[in-house]
Amino acid sequence: KNEVEQSPQNLTAQEGEFITINCSYSVGISALHWLQQHPGGGIVSLFMLSSGKKKHGRLIATINIQEKHSSLHITASHPRDSAVYICAVVVTGGNQFYFGTGTSLTVIP
Amino acid sequence: EAGVAQSPRYKIIEKRQSVAFWCNPISGHATLYWYQQILGQGPKLLIQFQNNGVVDDSQLPKDRFSAERLKGVDSTLKIQPAKLEDSAVYLCASSLRGGGGQETQYFGPGTRLLVL
Repeated sequence: KNEVEQSPQNLTAQEGEFITINCSYSVGISALHWLQQHPGGGIVSLFMLSSGKKKHGRLIATINIQEKHSSLHITASHPRDSAVYICAVVVTGGNQFYFGTGTSLTVIP
Repeated sequence: EAGVAQSPRYKIIEKRQSVAFWCNPISGHATLYWYQQILGQGPKLLIQFQNNGVVDDSQLPKDRFSAERLKGVDSTLKIQPAKLEDSAVYLCASSLRGGGGQETQYFGPGTRLLVL
């Protein structure tokens, strides 16, 4: 069993749609990261959360520590949002990272 | 500000050969991470350095993988000998302080390794 589960694995959306990607984890964490990986491999850090909600442009990330769940929302999706979105958690009290396998998003014009 | 640099970008070797990857983190960043990302999977942390000391290498296959960051700046990751299952993208990342993973990490472009 993976410590971090993401859903859905694959997602296709029409341009302009509201998108939600979910991340559930089974360990106690001190922080959760959302990463974006474009074709070709480059990874960009989008958010780091330990509680509540963060917003950057059209992206919103939320976390519920009690439920061990985080969501990444994209409003007014655009084809340039097409990428793999990866959730990663940092285990409480240590430096151990666990990564989800990613959600592959394709936004169609 | 220059990002995290990695070389080579691509490498093809035969099994049982040796290979080395190089990473130069963002200037001033104390913490450096090496990840292995197998196709279709999320990255797996291999080793984390803070300055020139190892913070976590619990998932590094030490019988064949080694890494060093002698002067606390750039780092090399070596595989000797390589196996077919080592085919992956090797990502290097850095962060300013370390903070137990509670900092933004900046990733390099990765090195794609194919072992034949």
